[in-house]
Amino acid sequence: DAGVIQSPRHEVTEMGQEVTLRCKPISGHDYLFWYRQTMMRGLELLIYFNNNVPIDDSGMPEDRFSAKMPNASFSTLKIQPSEPRDSAVYFCASRDPAPTGGAGIGYNEQFFGPGTRLTVL
Amino acid sequence: RKEVEQDPGPFNVPEGATVAFNCTYSNSASQSFFWYRQDCRKEPKLLMSVYSSGNEDGRFTAQLNRASQYISLLIRDSKLSDSATYLCVVKVGNQFYFGTGTSLTVIP
Repeated sequence: DAGVIQSPRHEVTEMGQEVTLRCKPISGHDYLFWYRQTMMRGLELLIYFNNNVPIDDSGMPEDRFSAKMPNASFSTLKIQPSEPRDSAVYFCASRDPAPTGGAGIGYNEQFFGPGTRLTVL
Repeated sequence: RKEVEQDPGPFNVPEGATVAFNCTYSNSASQSFFWYRQDCRKEPKLLMSVYSSGNEDGRFTAQLNRASQYISLLIRDSKLSDSATYLCVVKVGNQFYFGTGTSLTVIP
C-alpha cells in the first residue's frame, strides 16, 4: 500500500481565497483524522470520521473550515475564505482497525500522510 | 489545561548518552499511550506503544505511571539518527491527543 496520500504537498494562496486539501486514506482503515500543526500549538485534531461519518468536529476552528468524506477512499478539508492565521501544516491520518499491541484495549495505530504545508499570504 | 504536556526542550546530547523525556496527561480516563517520532518537515510516525507494565524496544524504554499520570521515554546509547522531535500521545475514547513534542539533537 502507498500509505496515506495527501495533496497538494504545498499550497500558497492569498487571503480570502478558497483552499481545498485532499486525502486518500489507507485502504481498509475505518477512521480518518484531520490535524493541524503549528509551532505554537503543536498538533491539533480538527475533525475525525468513522466509516465516512463525521464523529467529532469540535476541533474545527470556525465556520470557515469544513470537511467531507464522500466515500471510504477520499476526504477533503476546505477553508473558505482563508486567512493568514490558517498557515500551518495539515495532516491527514487513518487508523488501522486491527489492534497492534496490548490485550483487550486495541491500540489502533494511526498512520499519517506527508502533510500539506499551507501558506496564506 | 492541555490534555498532554511535554517539556519542549531542546535536548542536546552527545552520541552514546542516555536521555529521558517525560510527559504528563490530565485525563484519568486515558486508555492508551504512545510515543511518536517526527523528523523535520516530515509526518509523525509511531515509535512505540506504552504498556502498563513498561516495555522495551532495543535502546528505547517506555514507562507509564497511571497514579501520577505521566509517561516516560528513555533512550540509551543515543545515535545521531535519533535526532528528531518526540511526541507523547494519549488516547481518550477515539481521540488521540498529542503533546507539542520534545526536540532531541544528538551531537557527534
